Amino acid sequence: QKEVEQDPGPLSVPEGAIVSLNCTYSNSAFQYFMWYRQYSRKGPELLMYTYSSGNKEDGRFTAQVDKSSKYISLFIRDSQPSDSATYLCAMSAGGQNFVFGPGTRLSVLP
Amino acid sequence: SQTIHQWPATLVQPVGSPLSLECTVEGTSNPNLYWYRQAAGRGLQLLFYSVGIGQISSEVPQNLSASRPQDRQFILSSKKLLLSDSGFYLCAWRGDLNQPQHFGDGTRLSIL
Repeated sequence: QKEVEQDPGPLSVPEGAIVSLNCTYSNSAFQYFMWYRQYSRKGPELLMYTYSSGNKEDGRFTAQVDKSSKYISLFIRDSQPSDSATYLCAMSAGGQNFVFGPGTRLSVLP
Repeated sequence: SQTIHQWPATLVQPVGSPLSLECTVEGTSNPNLYWYRQAAGRGLQLLFYSVGIGQISSEVPQNLSASRPQDRQFILSSKKLLLSDSGFYLCAWRGDLNQPQHFGDGTRLSIL
């Protein structure tokens, strides 16, 4: 079993839709969770950073962590064509090692 | 605010040639620095990290090496490139261990 699993997509949605992106993980020691957005030929850009379980909201983005199910989600409301990118989840137990998902490619169609 | 710079953005090198990729961070002191390689459809693979000048930890055995000659400078090197070294190389930094990593825009390396 991979340490972090993420559906690679591609996921295509119409403009204005609510997007749900998810990752599952196997290591119960993970307690720091991140979502990054990566445009083509660019580095990942940090979107959300959460510690332990719960929800965090920032503008159109909401991150959810369910440690009991080992499942994290990123919701994008009112999606825009500019949200078209690859979204990476990442997690850490607190040391130097971060584990990244392979990314989900999202296309928001105008 | 903090910024991270990587160069070059794109590099094409022949097999057997040397490599030097540079990363610098501005606006912070004593950052933790990281080199990753990203393969298509796969997660980022940590290559090296550094907690201070001259301190390098290697995560995977490979043809590459890293150095940190100054507090905010991190260099990825190779004496002789292999075809398998092709990829997208990313540098990242963070402050303390409770903070997330922030990435540069990467170097796309092609080996011919």
